Amino acid sequence: EVQLVESGGGLVQPGRSMKLSCAASGFTFSNYGMAWVRQAPTKGLEWVATISYDGSSTYYRDSVKGRFTISRDNAKSTLYLQMNSLRSEDTATYYCTRVESVVYWFAYWGQGTLVTVSS
Amino acid sequence: DIVLTQSPALAVSLEQRATISCKTSQNVDNYGISYMHWYQQKPGQQPKLLIYEGSNLASGIPARFSGSGSGTDFTLTIDPVEADDIATYYCQQSKDYWTFGGGTKLELK
Repeated sequence: EVQLVESGGGLVQPGRSMKLSCAASGFTFSNYGMAWVRQAPTKGLEWVATISYDGSSTYYRDSVKGRFTISRDNAKSTLYLQMNSLRSEDTATYYCTRVESVVYWFAYWGQGTLVTVSS
Repeated sequence: DIVLTQSPALAVSLEQRATISCKTSQNVDNYGISYMHWYQQKPGQQPKLLIYEGSNLASGIPARFSGSGSGTDFTLTIDPVEADDIATYYCQQSKDYWTFGGGTKLELK
């Protein structure tokens, strides 16, 4: 059974940093691209970043470029999101997802971790 | 950026058909494949994949869900609607990076 378990969320002050983790199990992690999708309270879904199966390619939405870094450790089957210079508008539940095939849909989602940026 | 537009809400009666639309600002088809996918999200839960590539039913999803469309106009149909289907539905494109529609909240009449 595919499982994605996020951790690392919490309350952080504006301008500070936070690192999220996503532990994957139930599949060969190194075979799949992975992504982070977020959802602000009472709002819709918003793609944040994607990383290729081997970490060689990364993609970001414009609003997080230069502040967020997606990475992975295939030996540990773990996905990361390093978030720097956090802003109040980054407040959201962050979901880890597995990227499928060459058409790139998100078949599996973690339960999410809440990040609150507030002073 | 490709923008996806959905109606914010749809009211439907149980055992009736629900049709949820998604319009994209650019064509999301490529070589005969629609880079359009649909998700269901219930309050307090993570999204769940329903349909991928426009019309393919994801594993474990009941056959009362179906997807159709091409180019810039897509539809998710639920027929018949059951009480468990009350949720918010999102379309998503993956042809040019990834964007989601604003979501359609399915409500009971």
